[in-house]
Amino acid sequence: GALVYQYPRRTICKSGTSMRMECQAVGFQATSVAWYRQSPQKTFELIALSTVNSAIKYEQNFTQEKFPISHPNLSFSSMTVLNAYLEDRGLYLCGARAGTSSGNTLYFGEGSRLIVV
Amino acid sequence: AQSVTQPDARVTVSEGASLQLRCKYSYSGTPYLFWYVQYPRQGLQLLLKYYSGDPVVQGVNGFEAEFSKSNSSFHLRKASVHWSDSAVYFCALGSGGNYKPTFGKGTSLVVHP
Repeated sequence: GALVYQYPRRTICKSGTSMRMECQAVGFQATSVAWYRQSPQKTFELIALSTVNSAIKYEQNFTQEKFPISHPNLSFSSMTVLNAYLEDRGLYLCGARAGTSSGNTLYFGEGSRLIVV
Repeated sequence: AQSVTQPDARVTVSEGASLQLRCKYSYSGTPYLFWYVQYPRQGLQLLLKYYSGDPVVQGVNGFEAEFSKSNSSFHLRKASVHWSDSAVYFCALGSGGNYKPTFGKGTSLVVHP
């Protein structure tokens, strides 16, 4: 089956510091990776979509300068939250799409929770 | 533009009762619809998905959902809930080559033993 692992599960960082999170696809090739943030009491906000052989597309209110993403191969992606502040706290989810065999289905990891103090 | 509405923020049922969680979508094209579940302190797990064909799709753990184009809905159902089904359920809408589904705000399901 398609599995997605995210690391770390939880990070506490000081305001103004940065946090890097990783996403690993196991058992399939992640041709597209979508990074979402679930803020407290809110639904999921799409940060960016990374597709192999295409430029990373950031959604409105999210920038590469703040959330740089790397997608070097078909099984791994990472994202960093730079200069994290209180409004950046939440659960960051990586959703990976498995080629064309499963259509538009995204398989999600357990998430990386960012706590800013 | 596309959107997903889950009108019920919270649903409470007794164990063994039947369940329906509502989902309405807005999209002019052919929708791809999903239900995900989020257990406490965990990520998202896919319950089921609809692309085309039979409007009733079966998922894991006895869940099913029915697509209705006329009503723009994709309601989730279960004949008999268990206390372990307590979680937050998210309906999501994708479209064509859009690999970034739009999520509803979620419905928190509480199952009383």
